[in-house]
Amino acid sequence: ILNVEQSPQSLHVQEGDSTNFTCSFPSSNFYALHWYRWETAKSPEALFVMTLNGDEKKKGRISATLNTKEGYSYLYIKGSQPEDSATYLCALSGGSGNTPLVFGKGTRLSVIA
Amino acid sequence: GAVVSQHPSWVICKSGTSVKIECRSLDFQATTMFWYRQFPKQSLMLMATSNEGSKATYEQGVEKDKFLINHASLTLSTLTVTSAHPEDSSFYICSARDPGQGASKDNSPLHFGNGTRLTVT
Repeated sequence: ILNVEQSPQSLHVQEGDSTNFTCSFPSSNFYALHWYRWETAKSPEALFVMTLNGDEKKKGRISATLNTKEGYSYLYIKGSQPEDSATYLCALSGGSGNTPLVFGKGTRLSVIA
Repeated sequence: GAVVSQHPSWVICKSGTSVKIECRSLDFQATTMFWYRQFPKQSLMLMATSNEGSKATYEQGVEKDKFLINHASLTLSTLTVTSAHPEDSSFYICSARDPGQGASKDNSPLHFGNGTRLTVT
């Protein structure tokens, strides 16, 4: 059974601060790791899909890294803004092909202006 | 692109009644739809996988006779909670991959509806 752990569960940062959160997962049988941003009353929005060990992806002020050998991924937000306030979900593909994702509980970020 | 529309957004019903939740892919065809639910402070948990034109696959512990899934077309999947009870109160959300983005690949993102908050009184 895939177990995806995210930490911290929640955090509050001041506007302008940079922050990061962690996603941990079993390093065996890795297929792909997904990061989503989920704002209240909206649908989860895909940020990154990462497949290769050492992969780094960037989208504006948000970036992510992946270490499949040790089973973790970091999501970084540089210069946090109030609009970054959301829950950030990490999920793993359970297999190859059109398979469902296994989600962590998420990290709830609040950016205080 | 790749929009999934889910209705209703919230519903309150009495114990013993049935509730239908619809999920439509608006600009792509979804041969497979994944239905998740989320209880407070928990992660999104897969309930079932619906496949167009065939029977849904249910996860362990999810009663197929209680949670009826119909995927009659390439753009519509429905989840009906039959004889709902207070313990069925939860957040239900559907998702699918867009074939135009490589839907057969595990590295293609899921596109989600906005979810349905079900409260059974």
